[in-house]
Amino acid sequence: ETGVTQTPRHLVMGMTNKKSLKCEQHLGHNAMYWYKQSAKKPLELMFVYNFKEQTENNSVPSRFSPECPNSSHLFLHLHTLQPEDSALYLCASSQEVRIGQFFGPGTRLTVL
Amino acid sequence: KQEVTQIPAALSVPEGENLVLNCSFTDSAIYNLQWFRQDPGKGLTSLLLIQSSQREQTSGRLNASLDKSSGRSTLYIAASQPGDSATYLCAVDSGGYQKVTFGIGTKLQVIP
Repeated sequence: ETGVTQTPRHLVMGMTNKKSLKCEQHLGHNAMYWYKQSAKKPLELMFVYNFKEQTENNSVPSRFSPECPNSSHLFLHLHTLQPEDSALYLCASSQEVRIGQFFGPGTRLTVL
Repeated sequence: KQEVTQIPAALSVPEGENLVLNCSFTDSAIYNLQWFRQDPGKGLTSLLLIQSSQREQTSGRLNASLDKSSGRSTLYIAASQPGDSATYLCAVDSGGYQKVTFGIGTKLQVIP
């Protein structure tokens, strides 16, 4: 049990759909992250939130919209996605630099 | 820009063998280095975290070493078991919540 949960675990959506991914951490951490993992590529950091404030957006297309209402919850809102957005989306959290990140199980997203 | 390389990309060994996974990074100014395990289609599980001031960390049959000056880390797995089959990822934290760089991983198969 990692203390970081993600829902849904699997999602299939059409290119015109709107959906949201949810992440919740039960570790009392202050920072939360969204990563994208595609086949045969390193994890790509998408967004970082520190104390609910977004501190980094790594040139992610606007069809991905993050939301962090509090330090325990993180959402990724999806709209008009492309087939190449199909990937495993991972959420992580950390307290500070010296502790490292704890990951959730991921959401497997397929865009048709 | 930090770059992380993991060699080999894939490894297949018979059960019971001791093995070493390698991780190299280009910028030695790091805060910590973390080894993760990822099972197919799942999230990442943290195995060992080595702070920049440490040389090694041990957990059960796993031992991770860090040589910052040469930009290298190794993960040693003793007496490998089929349950160790997974992809092993190395992540280097260069400071701050957003400066974590992942390798592409080594896919390990332990044959019974």
